[in-house]
Amino acid sequence: DVKVTQSSRYLVKRTGEKVFLECVQDMDHENMFWYRQDPGLGLRLIYFSYDVKMKEKGDIPEGYSVSREKKERFSLILESASTNQTSMYLCASSLRGVKGYEQYFGPGTRLTVT
Amino acid sequence: DAKTTQPPSMDCAEGRAANLPCNHSTISGNEYVYWYRQIHSQGPQYIIHGLKNNETNEMASLIITEDRKSSTLILPHATLRDTAVYYCIVYTGTASKLTFGTGTRLQVTL
Repeated sequence: DVKVTQSSRYLVKRTGEKVFLECVQDMDHENMFWYRQDPGLGLRLIYFSYDVKMKEKGDIPEGYSVSREKKERFSLILESASTNQTSMYLCASSLRGVKGYEQYFGPGTRLTVT
Repeated sequence: DAKTTQPPSMDCAEGRAANLPCNHSTISGNEYVYWYRQIHSQGPQYIIHGLKNNETNEMASLIITEDRKSSTLILPHATLRDTAVYYCIVYTGTASKLTFGTGTRLQVTL
């Protein structure tokens, strides 16, 4: 089974703190994604990466950055957390190409910024 | 990628078939139809996908109309564990990006 793990299920941080959310997948997938999910807004793509050290902005990249130094690990960074970044953050991975359209998601990290 | 329209909520009795509709009238020829579901407090889970033929796997069946403008996800014998939000997504897969809407909240009841 594909396994995508996220470093924390729940996280509470203060405004202005630097926050790291870590995601690891064990299926040698090329693609990795970070989404946030808010009530009434569905899932929104923040960033994705299709290879090591490669990244592309999603639909809402402002206030976030990412890092992918190894194939299995994709980190989301909030440089200076703000209260409007309180949300559920979901990581996903997939293969690249015709056979890899299905994305596999981690359990999510619920981040609260106070 | 084409936009999809789904009813916000549906109910289904346990043991009955749950039929979840999705309209995607602007779908183009190279766009697939994908279904995911999200059980409360978990990440979304892939269910099934198709291009133009009907598809079936161990979780569900996907029926796509001949003109491809709509589709139906069928859970043949719904259980309480199938209570979740179901997302219908259409996309080409070339950019590997998925656009999730707000989905259909399916409530399975005794």
